[in-house]
Amino acid sequence: DAEITQSPRHKITETGRQVTLACHQTWNHNNMFWYRQDLGHGLRLIHYSYGVHDTNKGEVSDGYSVSRSNTEDLPLTLESAASSQTSVYFCASGTGTGGKAGYNEQFFGPGTRLTVL
Amino acid sequence: RKEVEQDPGPFNVPEGATVAFNCTYSNSASQSFFWYRQDCRKEPKLLMSVYSSGNEDGRFTAQLNRASQYISLLIRDSKLSDSATYLCVVTVYTGGFKTIFGAGTRLFVKA
Repeated sequence: DAEITQSPRHKITETGRQVTLACHQTWNHNNMFWYRQDLGHGLRLIHYSYGVHDTNKGEVSDGYSVSRSNTEDLPLTLESAASSQTSVYFCASGTGTGGKAGYNEQFFGPGTRLTVL
Repeated sequence: RKEVEQDPGPFNVPEGATVAFNCTYSNSASQSFFWYRQDCRKEPKLLMSVYSSGNEDGRFTAQLNRASQYISLLIRDSKLSDSATYLCVVTVYTGGFKTIFGAGTRLFVKA
């Protein structure tokens, strides 16, 4: 069955370290997204991609980067982890072309719980 | 003002009750609307899309009021398994798409 996976599921790191969170989907979806979820906030979009070699900034992109070298993977990198980046991170994928992506269902991975000490 | 606002709850209802959630959005250019369900410490999953004409899926009914800029979700005959957080989701397309999630409404259904 097609799925979307994230790794690691839990991560503890120290301030200033570089961290990469993996996201892998076998749906063959064009679109992939990274969100963070914090208490009192809805999911907030960090970065998204409409296809291979395409990346776009979301509303909370500072301190994060992504790259899309194939359809299946969109790794999220925290360049220099900060305590404010302690959160639960969800990757999602979905169908639709470019700007139409938002009209369609997004399928979420199980999440990565990141703690920055 | 948040772009998508929901009553955080929690709503505590007995089994069999009918419960309704409202969600308001601020951008009149919003084009797509969804309700997602999120169980504790799990990922969100699509519950239903919301269409202008309203739509129903079993015990769940979603409605959209563009004039007043709100969407609603009605759950009839609540089950224990309906206990979850319900996320209101709105997509705005203004040259690029922007999907905005509400913070969620927590529902507890008790026996």
